[in-house]
Amino acid sequence: SQKIEQNSEALNIQEGKTATLTCNYTNYSPAYLQWYRQDPGRGPVFLLLIRENEKEKRKERLKVTFDTTLKQSLFHITASQPADSATYLCALDISAGNMLTFGGGTRLMVKP
Amino acid sequence: SQTIHQWPATLVQPVGSPLSLECTVEGTSNPNLYWYRQAAGRGLQLLFYSVGIGQISSEVPQNLSASRPQDRQFILSSKKLLLSDSGFYLCAWSGLAGGDTGELFFGEGSRLTVL
Repeated sequence: SQKIEQNSEALNIQEGKTATLTCNYTNYSPAYLQWYRQDPGRGPVFLLLIRENEKEKRKERLKVTFDTTLKQSLFHITASQPADSATYLCALDISAGNMLTFGGGTRLMVKP
Repeated sequence: SQTIHQWPATLVQPVGSPLSLECTVEGTSNPNLYWYRQAAGRGLQLLFYSVGIGQISSEVPQNLSASRPQDRQFILSSKKLLLSDSGFYLCAWSGLAGGDTGELFFGEGSRLTVL
């Protein structure tokens, strides 16, 4: 069966450091992968999309990499701030029908 | 600009009671519409999706149902709630047809507690 795995343990880092979150998937070759941010009690908000033919994508302090051989995406937040504290979700369309399947999310805590 | 509204925001229902959650999208036409559920501390589980009026696909068999009576309206229902139906329900829309890379735009969610 398809699996999308994110580290379920919270990631605690110090303000100013780079946060790196991991998304691993199995048994599928997605055409693209998306990352979302979710704050407590709120709906997820889209951050970035990376296609299978793109190795890296950047947006301000965010960077996403996509290794289709390893079946892994890394999500980086540079110069992290306490306001970056949230749960980050990766998502894949495993059905080629615009139906996203989400990983369980990783909670990031940035301490001042 | 496009907006998505979802209500009610919170509700507490007894086991066996009916449920109706509503979602409407404004500022776009013919959106793909989705219902997801998020259990406490868990990821999002896709429940239903719709590519048009009256067209509903179910991803998970359960005692929930969905309907799309109008282009931009999506309703999640149950005739008899179970304790396991408790969770955070999220409506979402995307603007692209299947096979493309449509990002999802989520509503604010409805937190359901079944007692």
